[in-house]
Amino acid sequence: AQSVTQPDIHITVSEGASLELRCNYSYGATPYLFWYVQSPGQGLQLLLKYFSGDTLVQGIKGFEAEFKRSQSSFNLRKPSVHWSDAAEYFCAVGFWNSGNTPLVFGKGTRLSVIA
Amino acid sequence: NAGVTQTPKFQVLKTGQSMTLQCAQDMNHNSMYWYRQDPGMGLRLIYYSASEGTTDKGEVPNGYNVSRLNKREFSLRLESAAPSQTSVYFCASSEMAGGYGYTFGSGTRLTVV
Repeated sequence: AQSVTQPDIHITVSEGASLELRCNYSYGATPYLFWYVQSPGQGLQLLLKYFSGDTLVQGIKGFEAEFKRSQSSFNLRKPSVHWSDAAEYFCAVGFWNSGNTPLVFGKGTRLSVIA
Repeated sequence: NAGVTQTPKFQVLKTGQSMTLQCAQDMNHNSMYWYRQDPGMGLRLIYYSASEGTTDKGEVPNGYNVSRLNKREFSLRLESAAPSQTSVYFCASSEMAGGYGYTFGSGTRLTVV
């Protein structure tokens, strides 16, 4: 069965430091890949998505992610974290030619930002 | 503003009571979903509707029913609420199921006492 793993439950970074959140998926074909962010008390907001083409995709709020097929990964990065980036981040995977199969979400990584 | 609207935002129920969570989208999306979010569990799919007139079970459907009232609206019903159903519930929609990104509502925080 398809699955998504976010290995880090909680990450703490200093403001201004770089950030990388990990996401690995298990699927035999080319996936569609998404990163969502959830601020406290809010719903999920789409940060970026990968469907095909350039494996480095840019999103909102200065985030980017790189699809690496050989590693089955889609890690999220930001060069300089701001305090407002503190939130929970979810990776999700959709599947080409899957019919009506819903996206599969990881369990999330909570990001804390310290001064 | 275009998007997904959930009502109510907060609800407290007594064990055994019933209620319906409402969800409406105005983006002409075909597919709609109900998730619950619990600490450490991420998002778990309860039910989804790939298109108007169809519904399917997700990962955790027990204790819930759904109705796809029309293309815009997808409701979630708890017939006899239990404390284990205390959670935050999110509705989402997408152009189609499968590889399309979702738009989420802002959630309903439900407490069952």
